[in-house]
Amino acid sequence: DAMVIQNPRYQVTQFGKPVTLSCSQTLNHNVMYWYQQKSSQAPKLLFHYYDKDFNNEADTPDNFQSRRPNTSFCFLDIRSPGLGDAAMYLCATSRQTSGRSGETQYFGPGTRLLVL
Amino acid sequence: GQQVMQIPQYQHVQEGEDFTTYCNSSTTLSNIQWYKQRPGGHPVFLIQLVKSGEVKKQKRLTFQFGEAKKNSSLHITATQTTDVGTYFCAHPYGQNFVFGPGTRLSVLP
Repeated sequence: DAMVIQNPRYQVTQFGKPVTLSCSQTLNHNVMYWYQQKSSQAPKLLFHYYDKDFNNEADTPDNFQSRRPNTSFCFLDIRSPGLGDAAMYLCATSRQTSGRSGETQYFGPGTRLLVL
Repeated sequence: GQQVMQIPQYQHVQEGEDFTTYCNSSTTLSNIQWYKQRPGGHPVFLIQLVKSGEVKKQKRLTFQFGEAKKNSSLHITATQTTDVGTYFCAHPYGQNFVFGPGTRLSVLP
């Protein structure tokens, strides 16, 4: 049973053309995360939502925005994709914020973004 | 921000050989998690270690948390081709976890 779903699995966009990636979860978790992972690198946290509270990482570019209209869905909007934004984008969830002992993050399969 | 080092960065082993990856922090960690990411896949949670000196086993995988809670290791006994992937440690930072750079394991049949 899919728990964290990301669509599409592959996304091609043009330089500067806005793109939206989607994530949904069936776990009813409070927290949803977006990570960017470039080739041969570790996932890098962009931001997370605790319920409706948005928490942006300090070094996340303004070009990246997020929306969480309800518990189940979270979107990543890239306003003007550049070539450097080509990466795998991973969505993850957890019951509580992950810094707390005992919390596990559940990752979706990711969306691989290609910028032409 | 807080960072951990993982060594080695890459490891190539013959199937059946053992493998160990180390995660080292300059500061004490409250807990540490390990994830595995298969090629083309997404990170999958393996385990969390909380107590000083803790040792946990999952079949052929043995996880340790150092006495000082600054180091952790993952040891795989008798590797199999299914063990191929990148192993990340992750540690708390603020409200979230930060991933180490990972150790990429290749297993030659």
